[in-house]
Amino acid sequence: EDQVTQSPEALRLQEGESSSLNCSYTVSGLRGLFWYRQDPGKGPEFLFTLYSAGEEKEKERLKATLTKKESFLHITAPKPEDSATYLCAVQAGGQNFVFGPGTRLSVLP
Amino acid sequence: DSGVTQTPKHLITATGQRVTLRCSPRSGDLSVYWYQQSLDQGLQFLIQYYNGEERAKGNILERFSAQQFPDLHSELNLSSLELGDSALYFCASSPGPVSGNTIYFGEGSWLTVV
Repeated sequence: EDQVTQSPEALRLQEGESSSLNCSYTVSGLRGLFWYRQDPGKGPEFLFTLYSAGEEKEKERLKATLTKKESFLHITAPKPEDSATYLCAVQAGGQNFVFGPGTRLSVLP
Repeated sequence: DSGVTQTPKHLITATGQRVTLRCSPRSGDLSVYWYQQSLDQGLQFLIQYYNGEERAKGNILERFSAQQFPDLHSELNLSSLELGDSALYFCASSPGPVSGNTIYFGEGSWLTVV
């Protein structure tokens, strides 16, 4: 069965304190790994899609990387507005997305 | 703005009642997905439609049903509502059926059953 886990469950950072979020997956035939940001009571907002091991993508203070077993979302010099829940999802074979439980990030000023 | 439109944004109803949630996908997208997110719970996949046909089914209760119309908008029908059905219901869309397509989410319909 396809599984996605994320760690840590929650993370508190000071503004400017860089860190990484982890997404570990167990799937057969990965077709894509997706990162979303979700603010409370809002819909998930698409950030990145990664398709193969070694791939990296960047957007502002965020950088996503992918290996054969996990993905990292690196946050460089975060700001309070980066506070949100970050969701990872995988899509494998002909199956639908499997979402991880998310990491709740709080960035304190 | 993802381009996916959901109505209503908020809905309060009593147990035993029936509600319909509506979703308009992004322009050009043929696939529509429905997800449920309860308080402190992850996103649970309910059902997917592609170009009017049911494509995949997840953890959707028998009391729930959905359809996608010729104009590609979709409706999720929830009947015999229970307190535990209170949740955020998200619609998402993508261009194709699956296979690596990114899916884009609407802002959700917040259902409260009292």
